Amino acid sequence: EIVMTQSPLSLTVTPGESASISCRSSQSLLFSNGSKCLNWYLQKPGQSPQLLIYLGSSRASGVPDRFSGSGSATDFTLKVSEVEAEDAGVYYCMQSLHTPLTFGGGTKVEIK
Amino acid sequence: QVQLQLSGPGLVKPSQTLSLTCAISGDSVSTDISAWNWVRQSPSRGLEWLGRTYYMSKWYIDYGVSVKGRATIHPDTSKNQFSLQVNSVTPDDTAVYYCARWAHHPRYFDYWGQGRLIIVSS
Repeated sequence: EIVMTQSPLSLTVTPGESASISCRSSQSLLFSNGSKCLNWYLQKPGQSPQLLIYLGSSRASGVPDRFSGSGSATDFTLKVSEVEAEDAGVYYCMQSLHTPLTFGGGTKVEIK
Repeated sequence: QVQLQLSGPGLVKPSQTLSLTCAISGDSVSTDISAWNWVRQSPSRGLEWLGRTYYMSKWYIDYGVSVKGRATIHPDTSKNQFSLQVNSVTPDDTAVYYCARWAHHPRYFDYWGQGRLIIVSS
């Protein structure tokens, strides 16, 4: 089973500032074609998770370009530029390379 | 627009069987470009993938580590839905349960059901 480790556990951000979340996998998430099998989700209070980023750096439909993903085979970063109040919630990374599919423990983002 | 409607009892007694159904609208359980998944979430275990079913010339079913041997996922083509049964539940199975659609390419969950809290208690 691939273990996903996120940091920090939580952070508080002022509107207009940037936030970065890290995610590390216990093994390489590179697919045979070179794609990075890492997704990012945001779960707002009382809601189901929603897809933000897939394949490491591709934004899902309707996701603002303030959200960006990057990374290597095992280390990934989600950056939120110019944070807005609506960005509050818990962010999760998830590896999509092998079953069992596994998630990071989550990073709670609060907006001042 | 794909919609997933989860149903089932919200309270299950220890040692009994948890049974949930996810009704699909806007897509088919038999599609060969998606898989139909169960995920749960609890404070102690976080988000946890329980398993999936999908059709690709034949039916496939995979299970997650925590429920392997106790769970059964079943597609129902006549009702366009899929189900989850977990036997011998304990309070550790208390969680919010979700059903979700997985797109094989490019490998992500794109639609989720609304989530249902299932409590295991006597």
